[in-house]
Amino acid sequence: GAVVSQHPSWVICKSGTSVKIECRSLDFQATTMFWYRQFPKQSLMLMATSNEGSKATYEQGVEKDKFLINHASLTLSTLTVTSAHPEDSSFYICSARDLGQGNGYTFGSGTRLTVV
Amino acid sequence: QKEVEQDPGPLSVPEGAIVSLNCTYSNSAFQYFMWYRQYSRKGPELLMYTYSSGNKEDGRFTAQVDKSSKYISLFIRDSQPSDSATYLCATAYSGAGSYQLTFGKGTKLSVIP
Repeated sequence: GAVVSQHPSWVICKSGTSVKIECRSLDFQATTMFWYRQFPKQSLMLMATSNEGSKATYEQGVEKDKFLINHASLTLSTLTVTSAHPEDSSFYICSARDLGQGNGYTFGSGTRLTVV
Repeated sequence: QKEVEQDPGPLSVPEGAIVSLNCTYSNSAFQYFMWYRQYSRKGPELLMYTYSSGNKEDGRFTAQVDKSSKYISLFIRDSQPSDSATYLCATAYSGAGSYQLTFGKGTKLSVIP
């Protein structure tokens, strides 16, 4: 089945620094990828929709200047958390759909970000 | 009213029991329904994907959709300790293209040996 590879799986960074998270679709092209955030014991909250070759669409309340999304190719989308603060500590997950398979959406393994 | 309602549990059952997980949704425009399993600190894993009312079976898992009552269920037969996870229901407006999913809150399941 479709696989979405997400890296890193775990990162600790100092407050004020930036962190980049990568998501790659393996063996399929993803013109659209979705980025989610998940707090402990909560469901997934959609942050933004990443479209290859165009600007991402952000959900209400998500700062686009803080969460930079780049989808430069059909298999790679990146989320950069800029000037990270402790309140940005969370679990970030990406998702994409292999349209050729006609199945549901495949998720990456997630990135646990801790800002100290 | 949230678009997708799901009892967060937690739900605890003995090994071998039949588990019933349920969600209701309010928007009749939702046409596609999915169940995901999420282990702690991992990304969600797709279990079932369906778009029509009725039952869909895959091994020990059966997904049931009743569009008339806007009710979706996941049944797990002969539950195993390895089934202990959080189960998320999700809906989408369309099966064509890539549309954002709407998730329930998730139900935490524990299967006790």
